[in-house]
Amino acid sequence: AQSVTQLDSQVPVFEEAPVELRCNYSSSVSVYLFWYVQYPNQGLQLLLKYLSGSTLVESINGFEAEFNKSQTSFHLRKPSVHISDTAEYFCAVTREKIRGNEKLTFGTGTRLTIIP
Amino acid sequence: DVKVTQSSRYLVKRTGEKVFLECVQDMDHENMFWYRQDPGLGLRLIYFSYDVKMKEKGDIPEGYSVSREKKERFSLILESASTSQTSMYLCASSSIGQGARIYGYTFGSGTRLTVV
Repeated sequence: AQSVTQLDSQVPVFEEAPVELRCNYSSSVSVYLFWYVQYPNQGLQLLLKYLSGSTLVESINGFEAEFNKSQTSFHLRKPSVHISDTAEYFCAVTREKIRGNEKLTFGTGTRLTIIP
Repeated sequence: DVKVTQSSRYLVKRTGEKVFLECVQDMDHENMFWYRQDPGLGLRLIYFSYDVKMKEKGDIPEGYSVSREKKERFSLILESASTSQTSMYLCASSSIGQGARIYGYTFGSGTRLTVV
C-alpha cells in the first residue's frame, strides 16, 4: 500500500518570502501525485497534479511542484507568498484501484501561515 | 456554483444519539466518499460508494454506516454517537475510472460535528 508523509505540520512564512512544503511518498509501483489546498472554512480544492511527462508541474496561482522519483518526493514551492495563500495544504497519492476506481491517500497536512 | 453540498455546517449532538450527515452532488459522479479530518491525522477515509446501493469500507469504518439510495446522495450514519466521533466530516465525489486522476475529487465544505 502507498503512504504519504508531510514532514511539517505548520510552516510560518513572511509575506513575499519563498516557501517549500515537503511531501514524500512510499510505493513500490508508479503513482500519481496531487496537492490539494483547504482555505479556512472550506473544503479541499485540487491545486496541481503529476500524472506523467514533465516532472515540474504548475498551478495557476504561482505554486509549482517537482516529482522526484529517486527521492520519492513531490515538494510544493512558491517563490513569493501572499496573505491569500494562508491555508492548509495536503499532499495525496493514488494508485490502488478498487473495483476499477483509483483511491486517494492523503498526508496529514501542512498549515501555511503568512506573516505580514 | 456549489457542486457538493453538505446539509449542515455545524452540528451538536448528545452521546448515544443516532446522527445523519447528508451529502448531495450535482455532477452525476459515480463515486462518493466520506472522510473525517482531525488535526495531525489528515483525512481518513470512512466509507465510499461506487454506485447506487453499493459501498465499501474505508480505513476507519467502525461506528459508522452509510446509505446511497440515489446516485446524487450519500449519507453517513453514526449509529450511536460518541465523543470520539467529534470531528470535521468531509464528503467528496469523483467520476469513474480515470476521472479521479484527471479531474480530482470535488469536496463539500464540511460538517463540524461535536458530540457532547
